[in-house]
Amino acid sequence: AQTVTQSQPEMSVQEAETVTLSCTYDTSESNYYLFWYKQPPSRQMILVIRQEAYKQQNATENRFSVNFQKAAKSFSLKISDSQLGDTAMYFCAVNTNAGKSTFGDGTTLTVKP
Amino acid sequence: DTAVSQTPKYLVTQMGNDKSIKCEQNLGHDTMYWYKQDSKKFLKIMFSYNNKELIINETVPNRFSPKSPDKAHLNLHINSLELGDSAVYFCASSQARDAPEETQYFGPGTRLLVL
Repeated sequence: AQTVTQSQPEMSVQEAETVTLSCTYDTSESNYYLFWYKQPPSRQMILVIRQEAYKQQNATENRFSVNFQKAAKSFSLKISDSQLGDTAMYFCAVNTNAGKSTFGDGTTLTVKP
Repeated sequence: DTAVSQTPKYLVTQMGNDKSIKCEQNLGHDTMYWYKQDSKKFLKIMFSYNNKELIINETVPNRFSPKSPDKAHLNLHINSLELGDSAVYFCASSQARDAPEETQYFGPGTRLLVL
């Protein structure tokens, strides 16, 4: 069975500061991808960033970057220069070749002015 | 322009009724999904279809029946609605089934309230 654990149900950060959301996972598959999705209060889920398990280099998308530690099965998301629009629920997910996606329980991030 | 659309956005109904939620994607994707997000915001996959064929069927009561008339549509029919069915239901799609790199594109969700 595939599992994804987000140990921080809620977090907050001051505008312009940096915050890290944690995620650990477990899968028996050798080929998989890891994703962070964002669900703003308007509810529609959108992709933030993704990482291929075979790549050691951490993915980066503007202010968003990941710290992928494959041996530890850890995939944390760092948000730099936090903005009010980053307020949302963030989901970590793992996709495997079997076509199955498993999502974590989410972390609600509040960016404070 | 809408990539993944769902109707209706809101659905309020009485216990015991039967209701359907429709989903359509115009991205040309082969795979579509239904997720349930409960009041605690936990997101759980319910079903996945690839080119009209059911490929994932998680432990879901058989009151829930997905139907895919073509690969651009995946509808969800729920019989004998119960209070515990109240949730937000999300439809999603991705390019291909056996492609773990594929991003899922989500619809706006349908908020179902069973009274």
